[in-house]
Amino acid sequence: EIVLTQSPGTLSLSPGERATLSCRASQSISSNYLAWYQQRPGQAPRLLIYGASSRATGIPDRFSGSGSGTDFTLTISRLEPEDFAVYYCQQYGSSPTFGGGTKVEIK
Amino acid sequence: QVQLVQSGAEVKKPGSSVKVSCKASGGTFSSYGISWVRQAPGQGLEWMGRIIPMLALANYAQKFQGRVTITADKSTSTAYMELSSLRSDDTAVYYCARGSVLTSLYDYWGQGTLVTVSS
Repeated sequence: EIVLTQSPGTLSLSPGERATLSCRASQSISSNYLAWYQQRPGQAPRLLIYGASSRATGIPDRFSGSGSGTDFTLTISRLEPEDFAVYYCQQYGSSPTFGGGTKVEIK
Repeated sequence: QVQLVQSGAEVKKPGSSVKVSCKASGGTFSSYGISWVRQAPGQGLEWMGRIIPMLALANYAQKFQGRVTITADKSTSTAYMELSSLRSDDTAVYYCARGSVLTSLYDYWGQGTLVTVSS
């Protein structure tokens, strides 16, 4: 099983600031099958990024993903009020797994 | 517009079973995979297993092997997840999610079903 470790656990930032979230895998993720999801309180997760760097339909361009192999990053260039949420990375190979999440909170 | 609509909240006794449904609309049900992901209160996401309705093929996370059964009824575009031998730590919100036949990348999610296990 591929274990995904997200850091930091919590990120305290102000609207307009840049957020950088990390996801590290215990082994290399083939085909860059790495996705990022956003989850707001009381809601189901929403797909943001797939293939490590491709934005899902309707996702604003302030969200970007990068990385390969075992190290991946989600960047939110300028935080909007609706971006304060929990973010999960996921590897979506044959036995998918999720990271533990990063909470982006208002400072 | 694709929608996944799940059945309502359940309260169960320890040792019993629960069956949650997920009805799909707006897409070709058999052409996708339907997964089940759970989230305990205040915790992260945990993949339980998935089914490919076109193939009637299901696979499960090792943690849940022998305790979970995922099925699909193509005639009603509905997937089901049954979890048996319930324990208090099975209390969680259970989500269904749509992926492709080849991968578990989820573009649509159900609204979630809260299952509470309590004596």
